[in-house]
Amino acid sequence: EDKVVQSPLSLVVHEGDTVTLNCSYEVTNFRSLLWYKQEKKAPTFLFMLTSSGIEKKSGRLSSILDKKELFSILNITATQTGDSAVYLCAGEETSGSRLTFGEGTQLTVNP
Amino acid sequence: GAGVSQSPSNKVTEKGKDVELRCDPISGHTALYWYRQSLGQGLEFLIYFQGNSAPDKSGLPSDRFSAERTGGSVSTLTIQRTQQEDSAVYLCASSFSRGGIYSNQPQHFGDGTRLSIL
Repeated sequence: EDKVVQSPLSLVVHEGDTVTLNCSYEVTNFRSLLWYKQEKKAPTFLFMLTSSGIEKKSGRLSSILDKKELFSILNITATQTGDSAVYLCAGEETSGSRLTFGEGTQLTVNP
Repeated sequence: GAGVSQSPSNKVTEKGKDVELRCDPISGHTALYWYRQSLGQGLEFLIYFQGNSAPDKSGLPSDRFSAERTGGSVSTLTIQRTQQEDSAVYLCASSFSRGGIYSNQPQHFGDGTRLSIL
């Protein structure tokens, strides 16, 4: 059975701190690893990682995939209160039929 | 529309009743997915539609759950004889995906329907 594990489950930081969120996966016929940000309602897409070792960046957020160690990290630098959310990691199969999600990391950024 | 649209946003019903949840995917998206998010848990896959192919129903938790997608667009998730454990947020997602080697497009989610069974 496919499995995605995120750590930590909860994290509280101060504005300006840098955070690293972790995601390990066991997905049969793995194709890609996705990160989403979930505030009140819909998870919003952040990154899709398919190749190992290639960092993707969007502003203060960046992510990288290690397909040998079956691991991904999401980095957020110079955190802001607006970064407070649940960050979800998901593994996708080659068939594209489903995402297997981790439990998420609840990030709280205090002013 | 610009994004995935789900209705209703909230649904409260009595145990034993049937409910229908609706999802209108992003225009042009060929793939549609349903997930369930229970309190304090990650998203759980329910069902996947891809074009005219037979849906992947492997995530449906019981035969009380069913879904259809008419005309390759709007989808309806039906839960019959609801139970209290069905209370959750039901999320729909869509993507421009043909699966396999041809696809590498992310899924985009709607705001979900919060279902509460009394």
